[in-house]
Amino acid sequence: GAVVSQHPSRVICKSGTSVKIECRSLDFQATTMFWYRQFPKKSLMLMATSNEGSKATYEQGVEKDKFLINHASLTLSTLTVTSAHPEDSSFYICSAIGGGTTDTQYFGPGTRLTVL
Amino acid sequence: LAKTTQPISMDSYEGQEVNITCSHNNIATNDYITWYQQFPSQGPRFIIQGYKTKVTNEVASLFIPADRKSSTLSLPRVSLSDTAVYYCLVGDPLSGNTGKLIFGQGTTLQVKP
Repeated sequence: GAVVSQHPSRVICKSGTSVKIECRSLDFQATTMFWYRQFPKKSLMLMATSNEGSKATYEQGVEKDKFLINHASLTLSTLTVTSAHPEDSSFYICSAIGGGTTDTQYFGPGTRLTVL
Repeated sequence: LAKTTQPISMDSYEGQEVNITCSHNNIATNDYITWYQQFPSQGPRFIIQGYKTKVTNEVASLFIPADRKSSTLSLPRVSLSDTAVYYCLVGDPLSGNTGKLIFGQGTTLQVKP
């Protein structure tokens, strides 16, 4: 199957700082990427849909000014958590779709963010 | 987007066949059914995807009845390493939502020795 990577795998930061998470599709061009957040023992929550070259579409309740998403190329999307606070500590997961008639969504390994 | 309903948890023993059923009564004509497996602190891993009837790959089978209002993931001869959360999702990759998937609660499968 297709491979999606994320960097970093885990990050610890101080409250008030910004953190950037990268999502890359390694062996295919991703027309669309998605960002999810997952709290312990909970399901994945979709945060936003990112299309290459256009603005991301955020789910209801997700602050677009706090979670900045950039999909600059067909293989890279970034999520920046601005002015992070402890409540932003979570597991962030991206996924990507390559385009085609029966697209399968492939997920990255996730990034564990801890805000102190 | 079609909502899915799955059992919250299931227990099994090594070597048994496990069937997890998912209900999706409001599935749309263009929706596909996809199952993912997730281990703690990892991203979901694609297991299988289908539209109708039966699909089989090297790890699982997916059974979809004619009305498509439910689907069953079948895992043959499970092992301890199959202990994980299994998610059933429905969605249309070609829709205006461009493949947006909404995760339900998933089924936590516990395989015992």
